Amino acid sequence: SQTIHQWPATLVQPVGSPLSLECTVEGTSNPNLYWYRQAAGRGLQLLFYSVGIGQISSEVPQNLSASRPQDRQFILSSKKLLLSDSGFYLCAWNEVSGYTGELFFGEGSRLTVL
Amino acid sequence: SQQGEEDPQALSIQEGENATMNCSYKTSINNLQWYRQNSGRGLVHLILIRSNEREKHSGRLRVTLDTSKKSSSLLITASRAADTASYFCATVPTGNQFYFGTGTSLTVIP
Repeated sequence: SQTIHQWPATLVQPVGSPLSLECTVEGTSNPNLYWYRQAAGRGLQLLFYSVGIGQISSEVPQNLSASRPQDRQFILSSKKLLLSDSGFYLCAWNEVSGYTGELFFGEGSRLTVL
Repeated sequence: SQQGEEDPQALSIQEGENATMNCSYKTSINNLQWYRQNSGRGLVHLILIRSNEREKHSGRLRVTLDTSKKSSSLLITASRAADTASYFCATVPTGNQFYFGTGTSLTVIP
């Protein structure tokens, strides 16, 4: 069966520090991968999605970046965090198929920037 | 924005009652999906309805879709305390983008 792992679960970082959140998927090949951010009490904002290694699409221009160095690994990074980067970050995947099916989410990474 | 919008933002009901939440969106869609999120957790898929479908059932869930009005509704029948969570609709226009609404926070009082 497929599983998705996301870490770290909780992170407290000072303003201006770097960030690296990692997500891996097991039990599937060539998944679509997604990063979402959820501000407190708000909906989900699509940040990046990837349809293959090295293929990243950005939805929102900001100081975050994403990379996909391996088929089932998706990394969210920042060189210098801002206060506004605080939030709940969710990684998700779905199958590449003839139609767009359901998303499977990780348990999230809660980032607090102080 | 391509995000959907749920209504109401918050809903509180007694156990055993039905809960209805609505989703409105702006773009044409391939399908629309509903997800559930327990506090501090990831989202879990509940049900998917395609643009050529009008109604779909899954257990105690009933989803309707009106593409002419660009709206969908999720009905949870005979609610339970364990249904307490936030519920989100996600619109899927084409390709691989999923756009989530702002969510409805449901509280079911035992």
